[in-house]
Amino acid sequence: DQQVKQNSPSLSVQEGRISILNCDYTNSMFDYFLWYKKYPAEGPTFLISISSIKDKNEDGRFTVFLNKSAKHLSLHIVPSQPGDSAVYFCAATDFGNEKLTFGTGTRLTIIP
Amino acid sequence: DAGITQSPRYKITETGRQVTLMCHQTWSHSYMFWYRQDLGHGLRLIYYSAAADITDKGEVSDGYVVSRSKTENFPLTLESATRSQTSVYFCASSPGGGTEAFFGQGTRLTVV
Repeated sequence: DQQVKQNSPSLSVQEGRISILNCDYTNSMFDYFLWYKKYPAEGPTFLISISSIKDKNEDGRFTVFLNKSAKHLSLHIVPSQPGDSAVYFCAATDFGNEKLTFGTGTRLTIIP
Repeated sequence: DAGITQSPRYKITETGRQVTLMCHQTWSHSYMFWYRQDLGHGLRLIYYSAAADITDKGEVSDGYVVSRSKTENFPLTLESATRSQTSVYFCASSPGGGTEAFFGQGTRLTVV
């Protein structure tokens, strides 16, 4: 039972345009969500997070939106740069539980 | 070096052999985790530890054993390796309190 789903295995975006990566979850207990970025042969690195008490969190070019009623979150990258080409994982957890549940990942390719 | 390190980076072993993957962190984080990454499955939790001598199973713990006698080390042992355990293994640590986890660079394990 996949509690965190990333339905797009891959996404290609032109450099300078907006990249939108989507994530859905089924567990209503999840209240903290994170995005990780992963380059080949490296470990995932934390990118941005959002608590369920917010619907938006912004950090530079990266914005995460949370729609609790739809159990959906998205990561927006504006403008997209070649260095953004990586696999992006969505993750979720519930308060007091330090375990992260990950999605299957989306491979983002930025086309120069 | 500060941070979280895994060893070895690459390992080939035979079916039925016991193999141990090492993980060491220098931050004195309370929480440590082992994940495996497989195509189509994302990152799945194998085991985690909330503190020295406290460990618990994750989603895919069968065939794996962990120990945590010291806060900084969290070795993962495959008791009798099987081909289905061919994967990339990531160790992570977290200070807890709802903050993000920090990942090592991974160990690519091939069971032949």
